[in-house]
Amino acid sequence: AQTVTQSQPEMSVQEAETVTLSCTYDTSENNYYLFWYKQPPSRQMILVIRQEAYKQQNATENRFSVNFQKAAKSFSLKISDSQLGDTAMYFCAFQQGGSEKLVFGKGTKLTVNP
Amino acid sequence: GAVVSQHPSWVICKSGTSVKIECRSLDFQATTMFWYRQFPKQSLMLMATSNEGSKATYEQGVEKDKFLINHASLTLSTLTVTSAHPEDSSFYICSASGLGAWGNQPQHFGDGTRLSIL
Repeated sequence: AQTVTQSQPEMSVQEAETVTLSCTYDTSENNYYLFWYKQPPSRQMILVIRQEAYKQQNATENRFSVNFQKAAKSFSLKISDSQLGDTAMYFCAFQQGGSEKLVFGKGTKLTVNP
Repeated sequence: GAVVSQHPSWVICKSGTSVKIECRSLDFQATTMFWYRQFPKQSLMLMATSNEGSKATYEQGVEKDKFLINHASLTLSTLTVTSAHPEDSSFYICSASGLGAWGNQPQHFGDGTRLSIL
């Protein structure tokens, strides 16, 4: 079974600075998708960014970018120019190709300090 | 686009009653909907997957008779917690995906329902 590991339970960053959240996963499959979801205190899960495993180019969405290292099974999220509104739980998620299910990591609580 | 509405957002009820939670896709047709449970400071635990017009597929350890799921249309799925007890208190979140929940059709989540059983 696939597993997703987020080794940083909590992190903090100063406003306007850059922070990187780590995620590793374990799979024997070659076709899969990876996601980062954000859950602010309001509890709604918001899709931040996604990456297809067959794409070598790292996905970017404005201030959010990933460092996808397929061989190392690593999928880190970089947040540039951190804003107070980025304060949230961040969940890394894995989806095997052909499966409808998401496997979530345990999450990283990010606090952006003014 | 891709808005999922979940109702109610918060419910408190007495032990023994049944509670229904609705999950609606507002601007797309959701062929697949998912129900998750989240305990405080923990990750999401998938309870069941439902496809429109067919029976839900429950994850191991989830009681089918306790958590009734109905996906009667492409825009609505409901979760009914039957004869709820305090241990059923939790945060329940639904998600929906259109045209199949493959990686190119990511899941979109509702705002969640906080259920408190007294």
